[in-house]
Amino acid sequence: ELKVEQNPLFLSMQEGKNYTIYCNYSTTSDRLYWYRQDPGKSLESLFVLLSNGAVKQEGRLMASLDTKARLSTLHITAAVHDLSATYFCAGGGGTSYGKLTFGQGTILTVHP
Amino acid sequence: DVKVTQSSRYLVKRTGEKVFLECVQDMDHENMFWYRQDPGLGLRLIYFSYDVKMKEKGDIPEGYSVSREKKERFSLILESASTNQTSMYLCASVAGPPTYEQYFGPGTRLTVT
Repeated sequence: ELKVEQNPLFLSMQEGKNYTIYCNYSTTSDRLYWYRQDPGKSLESLFVLLSNGAVKQEGRLMASLDTKARLSTLHITAAVHDLSATYFCAGGGGTSYGKLTFGQGTILTVHP
Repeated sequence: DVKVTQSSRYLVKRTGEKVFLECVQDMDHENMFWYRQDPGLGLRLIYFSYDVKMKEKGDIPEGYSVSREKKERFSLILESASTNQTSMYLCASVAGPPTYEQYFGPGTRLTVT
């Protein structure tokens, strides 16, 4: 059974700083996803990573996948207040109809 | 553009009522999912459907049922609402291979009093 763990669970950052959220998973996962959730809102897809070494970037966020280490990272560059949200990683794989196993979520707060 | 809609953003129901939550997608996806999200418990899968009239239980199906009569519509039914079903309910529609990306609806915040 796939287990997904994120760390840290809480992250308080200053604007302009860089930081990384880590997502470890327990067994082989064909696909790794990152989502963003604003308070009281639904989940918004950020990245889909499908292969070892995959790297995707959107604005100040960059996600990568190392399937050998069973690790994905979400790197934040020069954080701004608008990035404050909860970030989830999720793993999926096999013939599971697209079922995902979600991490606990990382609550990111960016301070001026 | 991908679109997943849910019938209500906020809903207040009384204990014992039958509650219907509807989810509609316009992407011709075969797979659709229902989750609930509670503070400290993350997202938990209630039911999913992989085709019209086909469904499978998720991790927490007790107290819920589902209906998928048409491909675009997936309904979650609370047969007799209870206060412990107060939660945020999220529907997702799933793209096909290779991504199987899940697209979420806006969510329904249900309060059972």
